[in-house]
Amino acid sequence: DTAVSQTPKYLVTQMGNDKSIKCEQNLGHDTMYWYKQDSKKFLKIMFSYNNKELIINETVPNRFSPKSPDKAHLNLHINSLELGDSAVYFCASRPTGLAGLPNNEQFFGPGTRLTVL
Amino acid sequence: QKEVEQDPGPLSVPEGAIVSLNCTYSNSAFQYFMWYRQYSRKGPELLMYTYSSGNKEDGRFTAQVDKSSKYISLFIRDSQPSDSATYLCAMRTGNQFYFGTGTSLTVIP
Repeated sequence: DTAVSQTPKYLVTQMGNDKSIKCEQNLGHDTMYWYKQDSKKFLKIMFSYNNKELIINETVPNRFSPKSPDKAHLNLHINSLELGDSAVYFCASRPTGLAGLPNNEQFFGPGTRLTVL
Repeated sequence: QKEVEQDPGPLSVPEGAIVSLNCTYSNSAFQYFMWYRQYSRKGPELLMYTYSSGNKEDGRFTAQVDKSSKYISLFIRDSQPSDSATYLCAMRTGNQFYFGTGTSLTVIP
């Protein structure tokens, strides 16, 4: 039973193409994230949704557009792919639970390795 | 300057050694301090988190936070080959998480 799943696992595509990555979590969490991990292993937050509402929108090109059809899914669409978009993209989820209780554990998906040629 | 600084290593130690991993940070608003472990081609997994200055122990792992120096550490005792992974520190304020670049650790049998 995979808690956070992503598809596809690998994505190889040409510059200029448009592609989507899908993420689903079956943990009942209400907050989901997209991260980009570069070749030096630096993990940088891109977006976060809480109950389908965008709560974190870091400085990323507007070619990247997240969509959350429901609180179990957070997809990432990328337009006009560039060489610099090559990275591993991780989806994560976290319960936000009751006020005052720390919920620090994010559950990460297996990652989507994107290569732009 | 990044919010969280971490020496990327790589670090190579013999089995049984004590390992010390460190991060520094600049943002006083960080409330929670975490260590994640990431095996090759996998997503990060939470190892430990702490809230206040001081030590927290879990088996062979000890997390240490010094808020006055803005410095956190992870100690691994009796290191095992299965501990070979990348260790990322992370810090949280509100819903926002900031990660270090990760330290690659290899434990040699």
